[in-house]
Amino acid sequence: DQQVKQNSPSLSVQEGRISILNCDYTNSMFDYFLWYKKYPAEGPTFLISISSIKDKNEDGRFTVFLNKSAKHLSLHIVPSQPGDSAVYFCAASFRSEKLVFGKGTKLTVNP
Amino acid sequence: EAQVTQNPRYLITVTGKKLTVTCSQNMNHEYMSWYRQDPGLGLRQIYYSMNVEVTDKGDVPEGYKVSRKEKRNFPLILESPSPNQTSLYFCASRRRGGRVGQPQHFGDGTRLSIL
Repeated sequence: DQQVKQNSPSLSVQEGRISILNCDYTNSMFDYFLWYKKYPAEGPTFLISISSIKDKNEDGRFTVFLNKSAKHLSLHIVPSQPGDSAVYFCAASFRSEKLVFGKGTKLTVNP
Repeated sequence: EAQVTQNPRYLITVTGKKLTVTCSQNMNHEYMSWYRQDPGLGLRQIYYSMNVEVTDKGDVPEGYKVSRKEKRNFPLILESPSPNQTSLYFCASRRRGGRVGQPQHFGDGTRLSIL
């Protein structure tokens, strides 16, 4: 049973526009959510996170929104830049050391 | 520079030949883990370790062993590799305690091909 789902394998946007990456989860006990970015031939790098007690966290061009009732979170990138082209992983945890990852969404930002 | 170092980065080997992928971190992190990444399946945890001499199974531990004799090192051992273990492997570490869900630092990956 996949607890963290990223239903869009890929997303393509124009430079300067908004990128919205979505993630759904099934376990209501998750209390911390993270987004990682991964370039080819590199390991994932931490991007932004949000605690379940918040509904929004912002860091520069990146904003994560959490809707607990819908068990849904999204990552907004505004404005999108070609260097943002990467695979984005959503991850969730529940008061433990284990992170559960989604399958990833490949974002392509076209110049 | 804070980093997680994996070796080798690439390895092609044959079925049944024991291999070890090393992982070392220089951040004094208590928690370390191994993941494998496969197309369409994302990142799946193989094993993790909360501290020295404390290890536990993740989601896909079959066919793998780990050890944690020192805080900085967390090797992944494939005693008898099989083709279904062909994958991209990542080691990660992070500090324990403090804020829940502290982000993990990942190595750059090891691509294993088992023929």
